[in-house]
Amino acid sequence: EPEVTQTPSHQVTQMGQEVILRCVPISNHLYFYWYRQILGQKVEFLVSFYNNEISEKSEIFDDQFSVERPDGSNFTLKIRSTKLEDSAMYFCASGWDVWRTFGSGTRLTVV
Amino acid sequence: QQQVKQSPQSLIVQKGGISIINCAYENTAFDYFPWYQQFPGKGPALLIAIRPDVSEKKEGRFTISFNKSAKQFSLHIMDSQPGDSATYFCAASKQGGATNKLIFGTGTLLAVQP
Repeated sequence: EPEVTQTPSHQVTQMGQEVILRCVPISNHLYFYWYRQILGQKVEFLVSFYNNEISEKSEIFDDQFSVERPDGSNFTLKIRSTKLEDSAMYFCASGWDVWRTFGSGTRLTVV
Repeated sequence: QQQVKQSPQSLIVQKGGISIINCAYENTAFDYFPWYQQFPGKGPALLIAIRPDVSEKKEGRFTISFNKSAKQFSLHIMDSQPGDSATYFCAASKQGGATNKLIFGTGTLLAVQP
């Protein structure tokens, strides 16, 4: 069964540093998403990407965040200057219409 | 209006019992209601989903009941097993458009005791 692959599984970074979280979505999917989940809390929508551009973003997705699909296969989330409160699990998802598959996530720890 | 409210926050059920998790939504534009199952360290995985043109959908031991007028839907897990122990999230979405973003409930931690 096709999977959404995320790397790394765990990243520790210093506050103020830039991080790039990487995702390889399922190849024939049209919609791409990033969600985050602070430990023990609900899954929160960050951004959706469709037709090579951001289609919607949440209030969490401020100027410190950006997404790219640089080569038609990878889908990345960049956080320019990490804050302690960015510590969370970040999930990439891909899909078509309302169906989507989530990756196993990257645990980001900002120290 | 984008919220999805979920209860209970946690649930303990004996093996073989019925687990019931409830959700309520506000936005009448939502037209797709999935349930996701999440094991520790893993991403949410789609369990079962329903559209508002039906009142019930059953897949194996899992059933969604949907009440459009009350704007509520629930997940029933029949004959609950220890392997069902996980966090369950309800969600809602509006089909079509360039987003199809999911709004998740707050999650229910289910523990099925052997």
